[in-house]
Amino acid sequence: GQQLNQSPQSMFIQEGEDVSMNCTSSSIFNTWLWYKQDPGEGPVLLIALYKAGELTSNGRLTAQFGITRKDSFLNISASIPSDVGIYFCAGQLSLTNAGKSTFGDGTTLTVKP
Amino acid sequence: GAVVSQHPSRVICKSGTSVKIECRSLDFQATTMFWYRQFPKKSLMLMATSNEGSKATYEQGVEKDKFLINHASLTLSTLTVTSAHPEDSSFYICSARSAGGFTDTQYFGPGTRLTVL
Repeated sequence: GQQLNQSPQSMFIQEGEDVSMNCTSSSIFNTWLWYKQDPGEGPVLLIALYKAGELTSNGRLTAQFGITRKDSFLNISASIPSDVGIYFCAGQLSLTNAGKSTFGDGTTLTVKP
Repeated sequence: GAVVSQHPSRVICKSGTSVKIECRSLDFQATTMFWYRQFPKKSLMLMATSNEGSKATYEQGVEKDKFLINHASLTLSTLTVTSAHPEDSSFYICSARSAGGFTDTQYFGPGTRLTVL
């Protein structure tokens, strides 16, 4: 089946630094989603991307849907301690696939004050 | 954004008992809900797709008689872990699909921590 390679696996950064993480796939997705998960909680949707080349921002977060439709990245600018958590990318093949998502393995972000 | 609730948030049960977990979409109708299982520091593993008014579709390797799914209405799906064993202990998360036009997004519940003694 489809697999997503998410990198890096973990990041340790200083407060105020910018962060970048990405996901790549060997196959095409029609939708890319980025989620954040806090410990003991369900993932929360951060950004949804529906069109190749699309660049979308949500506050300090920016994500792009790669032109090839096989990759996406998420940037976090000026990180703060509450950015700590696990970030997951997810790809969806098509609306006809019943909305099933394939998830990356996550990027664990640690922000040092 | 759309809100999905799960109940209970935590449950501890004895081995051999059954546990029911509810997933509700609070402010939208969800014809499709998904059930995931997550092990510590791991990604989400899709267990099954729950469709309102029809049988659930299980992923390969997931026992349908072990994990019973019922999607009785457009806002409620339940997962019942039957005859639970310690290896069933995990974090179970549901999501509800909100689809319309070009958008198709999953919104997750807060998860249920199951501990089987």
